[in-house]
Amino acid sequence: EADIYQTPRYLVIGTGKKITLECSQTMGHDKMYWYQQDPGMELHLIHYSYGVNSTEKGDLSSESTVSRIRTEHFPLTLESARPSHTSQYLCASRTGTYTEAFFGQGTRLTVV
Amino acid sequence: GIQVEQSPPDLILQEGANSTLRCNFSDSVNNLQWFHQNPWGQLINLFYIPSGTKQNGRLSATTVATERYSLLYISSSQTTDSGVYFCAVGDETSGSRLTFGEGTQLTVNP
Repeated sequence: EADIYQTPRYLVIGTGKKITLECSQTMGHDKMYWYQQDPGMELHLIHYSYGVNSTEKGDLSSESTVSRIRTEHFPLTLESARPSHTSQYLCASRTGTYTEAFFGQGTRLTVV
Repeated sequence: GIQVEQSPPDLILQEGANSTLRCNFSDSVNNLQWFHQNPWGQLINLFYIPSGTKQNGRLSATTVATERYSLLYISSSQTTDSGVYFCAVGDETSGSRLTFGEGTQLTVNP
């Protein structure tokens, strides 16, 4: 059973607000990831981290930013939310390159 | 980057039927996972299978890495099997990052 948690599960917020989506894992995994998924579509990687103080942009350009100050915590921030940011955001972690990745329950974000 | 194609895009079954979902990929992989996304959006791990064959209850999977495809078999399908099935792969250049296919939408009718 994977121990990776995302909060909030659902968020409706107004345009221009700053938001932070939380992702925490208790498995001690070094590698963590953020994926974005529009309804009915595939997942796209937007950020990843291979350890503390390591962050990289993914394959899909995103206006969000991430930080990795602690191994277990990988928050994603939008400085000024827009309706185009409406999507589901999924966090994942794994211990190594040749191991299974586990996903959190996701955050459904709606910007009105 | 590596390309992932899943087929069929949509599949409708009667309860009790068997099905095969396919995942083709464009390059050699060192990572391959099958996921089931439930109606609440959560991704459930089914198999980590970069090569070989695995079985878990009514589900089994086979990856033929040399021919660049993987198959997911669902036997005696149940309504709770409904949802989207994703294949995700990683190769040498992507490291541990996973690239997802577009998924197969499975509907199992009672």
